[in-house]
Amino acid sequence: DAGVIQSPRHEVTEMGQEVTLRCKPISGHNSLFWYRQTMMRGLELLIYFNNNVPIDDSGMPEDRFSAKMPNASFSTLKIQPSEPRDSAVYFCASSLGDSGANVLTFGAGSRLTVL
Amino acid sequence: QKEVEQNSGPLSVPEGAIASLNCTYSDRGSQSFFWYRQYSGKSPELIMSIYSNGDKEDGRFTAQLNKASQYVSLLIRDSQPSDSATYLCAVNTRSNYQLIWGAGTKLIIKP
Repeated sequence: DAGVIQSPRHEVTEMGQEVTLRCKPISGHNSLFWYRQTMMRGLELLIYFNNNVPIDDSGMPEDRFSAKMPNASFSTLKIQPSEPRDSAVYFCASSLGDSGANVLTFGAGSRLTVL
Repeated sequence: QKEVEQNSGPLSVPEGAIASLNCTYSDRGSQSFFWYRQYSGKSPELIMSIYSNGDKEDGRFTAQLNKASQYVSLLIRDSQPSDSATYLCAVNTRSNYQLIWGAGTKLIIKP
């Protein structure tokens, strides 16, 4: 298995531009998580999907952030318009099941820099 | 109020010694506990999971859980320079799907 695949690995953009991050979870995993990691705040859960349905989006910072999971093998996280404070590493993770006892497998991350 | 606490370090340990990493949590209802390792510039990867009180050993790694005292620890025996990384403690919440993450402890193994 190729693991969780994220793209792009690095994104540099200017303030106000739209950013789209993509994730392909491990085949068969039915839970998908989007996290953001910064030095100041550590790992923060942005949104959780189970069986392609958003279950908890309370971590999404504001309306500028949106996430979709149109099918079991693809998810996107969109930021529009982007701001410098959105600069962070965004991780996608997947797991089998819907319990906190399940192990998360992380993608390599997308490092976003907003100038 | 942080729900999972870790000493940020850095924790410096000589090569070959035992590294001891600690984590405390606030939710008494937590049932699943994880240690993830994160190398600089990389993503977190699972090292150990533990669900019951006591010790769980896997090679050079031992996880220890004490629910009464609400702490979980990770021991690394015969520490190697390749163990130098940030170690993240994660605890599940009563919602049963969300993990609460500690800020991580940076471990440095000195040759």
